[in-house]
This record gives sequence, C-alpha cells and structure tokens, in this order.
Amino acid sequence: QKEVEQNSGPLSVPEGAIASLNCTYSDRGSQSFFWYRQYSGKSPELIMSIYSNGDKEDGRFTAQLNKASQYVSLLIRDSQPSDSATYLCAVNGYNQGGKLIFGQGTELSVKP
Amino acid sequence: ETGVTQTPRHLVMGMTNKKSLKCEQHLGHNAMYWYKQSAKKPLELMFVYNFKEQTENNSVPSRFSPECPNSSHLFLHLHTLQPEDSALYLCASSPKREGLEQYFGPGTRLTVT
Repeated sequence: QKEVEQNSGPLSVPEGAIASLNCTYSDRGSQSFFWYRQYSGKSPELIMSIYSNGDKEDGRFTAQLNKASQYVSLLIRDSQPSDSATYLCAVNGYNQGGKLIFGQGTELSVKP
Repeated sequence: ETGVTQTPRHLVMGMTNKKSLKCEQHLGHNAMYWYKQSAKKPLELMFVYNFKEQTENNSVPSRFSPECPNSSHLFLHLHTLQPEDSALYLCASSPKREGLEQYFGPGTRLTVT
C-alpha cells in the first residue's frame, strides 16, 4: 500500500461545478495535512493546510479531514479553468521523522 | 513567486560536466530540502537539512552532493550525471523539519545529454 494515495485522474469537471479531490494515507500517527497546486512546468504551491478533524474553508477551497478513516479531501467550489492543475496531497509522516510524504497528484481539468 | 529562489532555472549539461544548483530562502526558515520530480512520478525527497545539519539522505547516488553553508542557502553539486537524472529539481524550506508546511522554489529544469 502506498503511504499517500491519490487518484491520478485526470478529473474533468465543467466550469462552475464542484471539484472533489481525495487522498488516503497509511500512517495513523500523521498529524499535518497539506494540499499543493502545481501548474504544468511550475513548482508546487501550498494552498491549504489542515491539522484537526473536520472542515477548513478558505475562499473557494475547503479541506476535509477524517483521521479515523485516514482520509483527507479538497473541494473546489465554482471551479474555474484557471484551477486546471495537478493537486498534490502531502502528509506529515509521523513515523518517518516528521517529513512530508507526497501523493502522486491528481490532474484536474476544468472545461469552459 | 515564493520567498525561495533557485538558480539556474534551466540547465543542460553533458554527462562529464560538473555543475551546481543554488537555492536561497528569505523566509527565516531553519529547514531546507532538495526534491527530484520526474515526469508523471511523485516528488522524491533527496536531502534534508535542519539548522545546516544534514538529517536525511534518501539513498541518493553520490553523483549528487549537497552543501548547506547556512540556514538560508543550499546547493546541489552535480557531477558525472546520467540521462535518467534529467528532471525538475526543487528546493523547499520550512520553519523546522517536523512536518510543517514547506514552501517551494521555482525549480531547476535539468537536462543531461
């Protein structure tokens, strides 16, 4: 089992729809969770961090964390073509010295 | 762009060349990282430095040699690379090593011919 797993996609949604990106992780001791956005040819950009169970909202983005299910998700409301990118889930690997473990990323395509 | 800069942004080198990548962070962070990102693959952690001390070497071949003279600067010295080393090399920094958010530089696109 991969330490951090994401559907590679591509996930295609129409403009204005809600995009839902999912991530599961294997280390039950993980405490910090991050979502990065990476445009093609660019470096990852931190867009959300979440540390406790529940929802965290920032503009059109909502991160959801369920530690019991070892699941973290990112919702993007009112999706725009400019949201088209690869989204990386990163988890604090508590049993690996606290370093971040990245998933392989989900490619999102928002169609006008 | 973030407070992490990298030079050069693009590099083409032959297998017998020696070159260095430079990273500088202006965020007052104490931890710095080198990652490799190949096409369609997850980010691969290469090295971690915390307060200038190397705390992680993720089984990286010796043709990659890191150097961290202070908490703001990080280098990756390259020599006798292979074509499969062609990738995007990313530098990142975080306030400390233990799992806090990391901020990435723009990366160096390396091509080994």
